[in-house]
Amino acid sequence: QSALTQPASVSGSPGQSITISCTGTSSDVGNYDLVSWYQQHPSEAPKLMIYEGSKRPSGVSNRFSGSKSGNTASLIISGLQAEDEADYYCCSYAGSSTLVFGGGTKLTVL
Amino acid sequence: QLQLQESGPGLVKPSETLSLTCTVSGDSISSSSYYWGWIRQPPGKGLEWIGTFYYSGSTYYNPSLKSRVTISVDTSKNQFSLRLTSVTAADTALYYCARRTIAGHRLDHWGQGTLVTVSS
Repeated sequence: QSALTQPASVSGSPGQSITISCTGTSSDVGNYDLVSWYQQHPSEAPKLMIYEGSKRPSGVSNRFSGSKSGNTASLIISGLQAEDEADYYCCSYAGSSTLVFGGGTKLTVL
Repeated sequence: QLQLQESGPGLVKPSETLSLTCTVSGDSISSSSYYWGWIRQPPGKGLEWIGTFYYSGSTYYNPSLKSRVTISVDTSKNQFSLRLTSVTAADTALYYCARRTIAGHRLDHWGQGTLVTVSS
């Protein structure tokens, strides 16, 4: 069970859109539509932003969306705002009730 | 309102056993709709899934930690616990407990985390 691969960092200007990729294998991301995304601000616990690949929990802005193609899932943030600056982690179901996280991506809003 | 609160020693000596407890309020850990489990985050690093239990008594662990990890439950106190044996400095981390949905496997509620440092 290896960690999912995310870019270490991405950046964008306010109002722009950015995409964070999350690459796994046919044993996790590619085999299940069960990728979730978490936002973590400094010194805070992670917060669920997207689940089952593209669903948003109640209260999460519709500027956040998710998709998947093959073994790669993506988090898209549109209309970037200063408050979106945070670390983002993907997480996939990997079978047998196990989970695997990505290494995390630091989003900088320029 | 669901709340999860981690507790336990903040300092553990190398080769000893790390023990943490998560106290849940606002939901029952005996619910058939959820798993309950642990995730950790070394300082400045990413999240790592440690393990999970289901009310039926089933437990599931990260293969890389399986030989050292035990998750146990005290339903009378609505608490669950983590034991990690033979710790080293690499086990220094912020330890979170979290609720995970059965359908969808999403971690929808997290505790605030507790820092455990492994040092002599």
